[in-house]
Amino acid sequence: AQSVTQPDIHITVSEGASLELRCNYSYGATPYLFWYVQSPGQGLQLLLKYFSGDTLVQGIKGFEAEFKRSQSSFNLRKPSVHWSDAAEYFCAVAALNSGGYQKVTFGTGTKLQVIP
Amino acid sequence: KAGVTQTPRYLIKTRGQQVTLSCSPISGHRSVSWYQQTPGQGLQFLFEYFSETQRNKGNFPGRFSGRQFSNSRSEMNVSTLELGDSALYLCASSSLSGQETQYFGPGTRLLVL
Repeated sequence: AQSVTQPDIHITVSEGASLELRCNYSYGATPYLFWYVQSPGQGLQLLLKYFSGDTLVQGIKGFEAEFKRSQSSFNLRKPSVHWSDAAEYFCAVAALNSGGYQKVTFGTGTKLQVIP
Repeated sequence: KAGVTQTPRYLIKTRGQQVTLSCSPISGHRSVSWYQQTPGQGLQFLFEYFSETQRNKGNFPGRFSGRQFSNSRSEMNVSTLELGDSALYLCASSSLSGQETQYFGPGTRLLVL
């Protein structure tokens, strides 16, 4: 069964500083990988996704992520954080079950605090 | 296109009652998934429906059930509510299943007293 680990529960960065949120996954084959962001009291918004091809994926709001198969990682990065980026970020992996249907597993999330 | 809508947005129930939550997917989407989000357990997959058939199911007791209608709208029902069922219930839709991105609704926040 697939699993996702986000080792950092809470991260604080200064506005304008760079950001990297870690995500490690466990899955036997090539997974489909996602990063979502959730603002307080809201649903999840997709930031970016990786299905195949170029391992560096560009997303919305200036985010990017790099798939590293050798490290089973899919870390999210942003070169310069804005105060509006404060939210909770979830990494997710999707895999096909025996019936060929997608099952999505989410990490526990990383809460990002941005200080002025 | 309108996004995924969920009703109601907030709900307060007492233990032992039952509740029905509704989800309207993005127009043209045929797959609807439900998730429970709590501070302690995070996001947990409940089940997925596609063309009125349940195709995936998470590890939740039988008190949690769902269905999907021919117009792809989905309902989730929880019977005999327990305090631990208090959570944000999120619905997500996608056009197919397998390689498709899920789009999430704002959720229904359920409080069980």
